[in-house]
Amino acid sequence: DVKVTQSSRYLVKRTGEKVFLECVQDMDHENMFWYRQDPGLGLRLIYFSYDVKMKEKGDIPEGYSVSREKKERFSLILESASTNQTSMYLCASSPGTGALNTEAFFGQGTRLTVV
Amino acid sequence: KNEVEQSPQNLTAQEGEFITINCSYSVGISALHWLQQHPGGGIVSLFMLSSGKKKHGRLIATINIQEKHSSLHITASHPRDSAVYICAVTKYNNNDMRFGAGTRLTVKP
Repeated sequence: DVKVTQSSRYLVKRTGEKVFLECVQDMDHENMFWYRQDPGLGLRLIYFSYDVKMKEKGDIPEGYSVSREKKERFSLILESASTNQTSMYLCASSPGTGALNTEAFFGQGTRLTVV
Repeated sequence: KNEVEQSPQNLTAQEGEFITINCSYSVGISALHWLQQHPGGGIVSLFMLSSGKKKHGRLIATINIQEKHSSLHITASHPRDSAVYICAVTKYNNNDMRFGAGTRLTVKP
C-alpha cells in the first residue's frame, strides 16, 4: 500500500519557534508538495520539489523554507512561527513529468497551532 | 478569481438522495482530480480523469473538456459519504496542482 507519511498529526508551538514538518513517501516519486489548508481558501501551494535538492516557490512561500536532501523526504520549515501560520499542513507526492499517471497521494495532514 | 471553482460550498442531503457537485476551471489541464477529505484531515483520491466519465461504486465523475467543467455524482447517498469533496486540476505541461475550496457534504439518516 502506497504511503505518504507526515511525522505529526497535531503540533502546538510558540510564536518565534523554529518548526520542522517532515514528510516521507515510499513510492519513489520525483515530485513532492507542501500545502496549507484554511477554511474557505482550499489548499494553497507553499513549495514544491521536482527532484532532490531542487525546490520551487508556490503561491505562499513567505515565512517558510523547505529541504529535500533525499528523494523520499521533503521537509517544511517555519523559520520563526507566527500565529497566522496556524493551519492544516498537507504533504503530497506524485510521479515526475512524463509519467502516464500524475495522480497525487496525500499525507494525513499536520494540524499546527501557533500560540 | 480562483482557477478552480466549486459549487455548492455546503450541501446537506437526506440518505438516499442523488447528489451532484460541480467544478469549473479556467486553465489548461492534463488531468482533473476528485478528492475526498474526512474529518481528521486525510485526503483520498477518488478519481483522476482527463476525458469522458468514470464510475466507482456509487460515485460517478464526468468531465467536459470543451466547457472546462466536471461533475461528481453520488447515487443513493449514505451518511458515511459525509465529507469534504475537493476538485483539483493538474495544470498542463507541469505537475502543479490547483484546488477548489471544497464542498462540505452532510448526508442525514
